[in-house]
Amino acid sequence: RKEVEQDPGPFNVPEGATVAFNCTYSNSASQSFFWYRQDCRKEPKLLMSVYSSGNEDGRFTAQLNRASQYISLLIRDSKLSDSATYLCVVNMRGNEKLTFGTGTRLTIIP
Amino acid sequence: DVKVTQSSRYLVKRTGEKVFLECVQDMDHENMFWYRQDPGLGLRLIYFSYDVKMKEKGDIPEGYSVSREKKERFSLILESASTNQTSMYLCASSPGTGVFETQYFGPGTRLLVL
Repeated sequence: RKEVEQDPGPFNVPEGATVAFNCTYSNSASQSFFWYRQDCRKEPKLLMSVYSSGNEDGRFTAQLNRASQYISLLIRDSKLSDSATYLCVVNMRGNEKLTFGTGTRLTIIP
Repeated sequence: DVKVTQSSRYLVKRTGEKVFLECVQDMDHENMFWYRQDPGLGLRLIYFSYDVKMKEKGDIPEGYSVSREKKERFSLILESASTNQTSMYLCASSPGTGVFETQYFGPGTRLLVL
């Protein structure tokens, strides 16, 4: 089993729709969680951290479910510019090392 | 803004050549990392460094070495390049403040080994 598992997609979603991704992680002692965004042929960039109580940043909402060991990302009113690969990232070792999922590819269709 | 730069965007080398990939960060970060990214495998950690002259193996260190002589610079060395080292190489840095910090990536180097 992969340490951090994501549905690779692709998700093809019409502009304006709502889309949600889940990610599961294997280590119940994992301490911090993030979503990164990676555009085609570019480097990953932090989209948002994921807090225990859930958090929102504009059209983006992240949730953490420790009991079931998954995190989610919800994108509302999707824009063409949201097309990217979304990486689920977990700090599972209690140090500064991060474990990356393989990513979920999202394409927003006009 | 944090800036992480990498010496080359694209590199073509021949099997057996020694390859140097350099990474520089300008935010006085303690930690620096080298990853490779391959389709279907995601980002895999090769080496990281938490201080000058300190290094620690990641998940796939075989065939690679690293050097950190100055805080801002972290070099990845392929002693004898092989075709299975064709990949996207990403450098990252982080402040070194603890488990809740994030990493900042450079633009990546696409290496092709012929």
